[in-house]
Amino acid sequence: NAGVTQTPKFQVLKTGQSMTLQCAQDMNHNSMYWYRQDPGMGLRLIYYSASEGTTDKGEVPNGYNVSRLNKREFSLRLESAAPSQTSVYFCASKEVYNYGYTFGSGTRLTVV
Amino acid sequence: DQQVKQNSPSLSVQEGRISILNCDYTNSMFDYFLWYKKYPAEGPTFLISISSIKDKNEDGRFTVFLNKSAKHLSLHIVPSQPGDSAVYFCAASGGSGNTGKLIFGQGTTLQVKP
Repeated sequence: NAGVTQTPKFQVLKTGQSMTLQCAQDMNHNSMYWYRQDPGMGLRLIYYSASEGTTDKGEVPNGYNVSRLNKREFSLRLESAAPSQTSVYFCASKEVYNYGYTFGSGTRLTVV
Repeated sequence: DQQVKQNSPSLSVQEGRISILNCDYTNSMFDYFLWYKKYPAEGPTFLISISSIKDKNEDGRFTVFLNKSAKHLSLHIVPSQPGDSAVYFCAASGGSGNTGKLIFGQGTTLQVKP
């Protein structure tokens, strides 16, 4: 049972480049989330999908877009990367009747 | 506006002693609280949780205390072990328009010295 799988694990982008972070879960969870972790800031919610077919903004959505491709997959896209988007990105999922998330292992993104 | 705050960025304790990690929140509508543990280069993993209708929850060496009137919760680890060295995040759920979102604190780095 893989849980939540994120790809890639590491990425370096130049300012202005675009990329998509992939996330897939095999636990049949309804809800999926994207967070970013920055020093001193904790984990901040970027976007979430409460159920298949819905997406909503979180606390820090600017510069990002998401797609809930199906129940398993929830991708995060950076259309024009900026140095301020240098961070560690975590995808998480949960079942509707639970409070706790299962997290992926993260994507470390550096924008130069 | 930081709704969940962990005011101590780091904590160092001796092996075998008690570790106490603190967390404060501002939103009285939060109804469930969780602690996550994170090792370097890994995702956070669930540690322990507590509902707002309780004031204590215990799981082995880990106990979470909730003081609703003070909007404060704490995680006690007894006895502390070197393998407990990690970053600990406090998180809260609930509030208006809740859709299962968790609001996290900034994290506290715990170092347990052998």
